[in-house]
This record gives sequence, C-alpha cells and structure tokens, in this order.
Amino acid sequence: TAGITQAPTSQILAAGRSMTLRCTQDMRHNAMYWYRQDLGLGLRLIHYSNTAGTTGKGEVPDGYSVSRANTDDFPLTLASAVPSQTSVYFCASSPTGEMNTEAFFGQGTRLTVV
Amino acid sequence: GQNIDQPTEMTATEGAIVQINCTYQTSGFNGLFWYQQHAGEAPTFLSYNVLDGLEEKGRFSSFLSRSKGYSYLLLKELQMKDSASYLCAVEDSNYQLIWGAGTKLIIKP
Repeated sequence: TAGITQAPTSQILAAGRSMTLRCTQDMRHNAMYWYRQDLGLGLRLIHYSNTAGTTGKGEVPDGYSVSRANTDDFPLTLASAVPSQTSVYFCASSPTGEMNTEAFFGQGTRLTVV
Repeated sequence: GQNIDQPTEMTATEGAIVQINCTYQTSGFNGLFWYQQHAGEAPTFLSYNVLDGLEEKGRFSSFLSRSKGYSYLLLKELQMKDSASYLCAVEDSNYQLIWGAGTKLIIKP
C-alpha cells in the first residue's frame, strides 16, 4: 500500500514562478492537510480539507491555494513563489476531520525558492 | 497566544531511559500527540493522550496532566534507531493541531 505520496521530492524554483505540489492518498481518508516545516519551528498548517469539495485556511495560508476535487488528491499551488516559501512541505491525511485520530504523512517536498 | 515548549536537543546512552517533556498553552484541549521524525523523513505517530495519566506502548510511554499543561514521552531501553526528533502536538478547541518545534534526541553507544 502506497499510503500518501508527494511529488516532486525536491525542487528549486525561481522567485515569481508558480508551482503545484502534488499529494495523493489511497487510504480513502476524508481529511487532508498541508504543512510546512522550517528549522526551529513546529509544523505549521497551511490549508486543510475535511472532505472532498471543501477546503479551509490554516495558520499560514497566504501565498498558497489548494483544491480538493476528489477524495484522493490535494494539490498545493504557489501562484508566485517568494524566497520565504523555501521550506519542507508535508502533506498528511487522517480518516476524519476531527483530528483526534492519527495523521499519516507523505515523505515531504523540499522546496528552495531562489 | 498558543505555545508548545519542548527542549531543543537531548543526549542519552544506548540502553538507558530518557524523558522528553512538553508543556503547552492552547485555546482549549482535545488531546495531545507524540510523533517521531527521523532526519529527512516524515513524522510517524507514536501516541495519543486525552485523559490524565500514563499510556504505555512497548518501550514508549506517554504521560499527560491537563491541569498542569504538561506531558512527557518516556523511552526505555534506548536503541540507536531511536535517534530522531520527537514532536509534541496539541489539538485545540477547533480541532487544529498546534506543534512544538521538536526535540532532537541523540543516542550515544
């Protein structure tokens, strides 16, 4: 079982360019999340989706957008990248939107904006 | 504001016991999680506490005191593979997870 898959694994992106980080899960989980992880800081929630067709803003949503057209996919788009968006991005899923359940994480995308 | 505090780094010896503390101040409380994250890898779930007391799972135990805003993760019979970062996260009243920065645990032979 693949679980949750992110692509690409890493990317160097020129400032001002757009990019979509892909996330796919095969566990039929209702809830999906995008986090960024920066050195010395905890994981910070960017956007989330409690079920297909709905999305919500997390702690640090500015500069990012998401869509949830179906249960399996939850892409994250940077419309115009800036250097402060250099980070490791983790996609996660859980069975329900009530987060008192275990979250499963993808392997991460290391993004460098130059 | 919401805050999760953990030590930045700890060192322990193989075969020993180590306790990693976590204190929190959040808007409400719906549970506390511990995750393990090896360098360059994804976080993986270790434990969940919602009631006061100790939850034991093999070599790992997690304790919670809601009145003190305090939890700890206890690792026994340390192995070299336990070298990793340990992340404490609290689920607030909106079911959002608030994460600590993590404790990097270094195991020495």
